[in-house]
Amino acid sequence: AQRVTQPEKLLSVFKGAPVELKCNYSYSGSPELFWYVQYSRQRLQLLLRHISRESIKGFTADLNKGETSFHLKKPFAQEEDSAMYYCALTGGTSYGKLTFGQGTILTVHP
Amino acid sequence: KAGVTQTPRYLIKTRGQQVTLSCSPISGHRSVSWYQQTPGQGLQFLFEYFSETQRNKGNFPGRFSGRQFSNSRSEMNVSTLELGDSALYLCASSFFDPSDEQYFGPGTRLTVT
Repeated sequence: AQRVTQPEKLLSVFKGAPVELKCNYSYSGSPELFWYVQYSRQRLQLLLRHISRESIKGFTADLNKGETSFHLKKPFAQEEDSAMYYCALTGGTSYGKLTFGQGTILTVHP
Repeated sequence: KAGVTQTPRYLIKTRGQQVTLSCSPISGHRSVSWYQQTPGQGLQFLFEYFSETQRNKGNFPGRFSGRQFSNSRSEMNVSTLELGDSALYLCASSFFDPSDEQYFGPGTRLTVT
């Protein structure tokens, strides 16, 4: 069974501080991993995915297959980063199915 | 390009009734997925349709069903509503592959009384 765990429901940091949102997964195979974000009063949207290896809005995430983790990092948090972040997984023949973690609410204080 | 649209945005129904929700995907997207979002369970996958065929299904009872039309628009139906069906129902569209980006709609807020 595929499972995604985000251990922190809430995370608070100050502007300019580094931030790391944790994500651990279990999946028997080669997973596709994503981070989705939902800003206040906006719809859920893709932030980044591991296969593209991009840095979006200063965020990066590295897939660590040994530790089965896909933590999201940003060296200097901004107030506009405050949002709900979801780690999600798919793979194999899981057509159209994303398995989401419970989400982490990030608050960046001025 | 226009985003994913869902109608209606809000619904109030009574236990035992049935409800139909609609989703229009982004033009060119042929895959439509449905999710249920609740405070307790988070985001849970309901099912996915591609070219009018259900390709994948989550762990929900048979009261939850869906279909997709030739223009890729999709509907989901919940029969014999229960209080626990109160949730935000999200629709997402993508091109084809599981690894393609999913674009989410604003959701339909269903309240069962």
